Amino acid sequence: KAGVTQTPRYLIKTRGQQVTLSCSPISGHRSVSWYQQTPGQGLQFLFEYFSETQRNKGNFPGRFSGRQFSNSRSEMNVSTLELGDSALYLCASSLMGQGSGANVLTFGAGSRLTVL
Amino acid sequence: AQSVAQPEDQVNVAEGNPLTVKCTYSVSGNPYLFWYVQYPNRGLQFLLKYITGDNLVKGSYGFEAEFNKSQTSFHLKKPSALVSDSALYFCAVRDSGNTPLVFGKGTRLSVIA
Repeated sequence: KAGVTQTPRYLIKTRGQQVTLSCSPISGHRSVSWYQQTPGQGLQFLFEYFSETQRNKGNFPGRFSGRQFSNSRSEMNVSTLELGDSALYLCASSLMGQGSGANVLTFGAGSRLTVL
Repeated sequence: AQSVAQPEDQVNVAEGNPLTVKCTYSVSGNPYLFWYVQYPNRGLQFLLKYITGDNLVKGSYGFEAEFNKSQTSFHLKKPSALVSDSALYFCAVRDSGNTPLVFGKGTRLSVIA
């Protein structure tokens, strides 16, 4: 069974540019969450999507946006990049419901963004 | 809002000794508690979870955690540490509603041979 796939794995951008990151969840998982990981702040929650609807949103500026498609794949976009946006962006998918696998996030390897 | 604290940035332990990584949490309702591990240049891997039931939860790679409601703690333990256990460990919590999973800042575990 394929895991969570994130693309691209590494990218370098300059200040003011925008970036789009992609996440393909595990087959059958309809919930996708995004996190930003930095050495100083740990993992900070960005968004959570379920069936193309944003269920939760973290405390990030409006430059950070996301969406989910009908096949559960998700993208996040960061516009007008700042130096402080340099981070590892992690996507995770999960099953909803009451079964033993429910609520367990399965993470992708992440997309490492460097802003120069 | 839920929150989680990992009071130690770094834990050092000798190989073969027991290890404990501490976690305390705060939620408004019933907690769903998780431990994840991150190896270098990798995503997070699920270790174990507590939703309901027995307070002692057993997980992957010989790890276990004890849910203590009165102390709002969920410490991760292993009876005998291995060098390969060296990694970054994250505790996470959500309540039983539709709230996001919130992570602690992580504890770096170093197991010394």
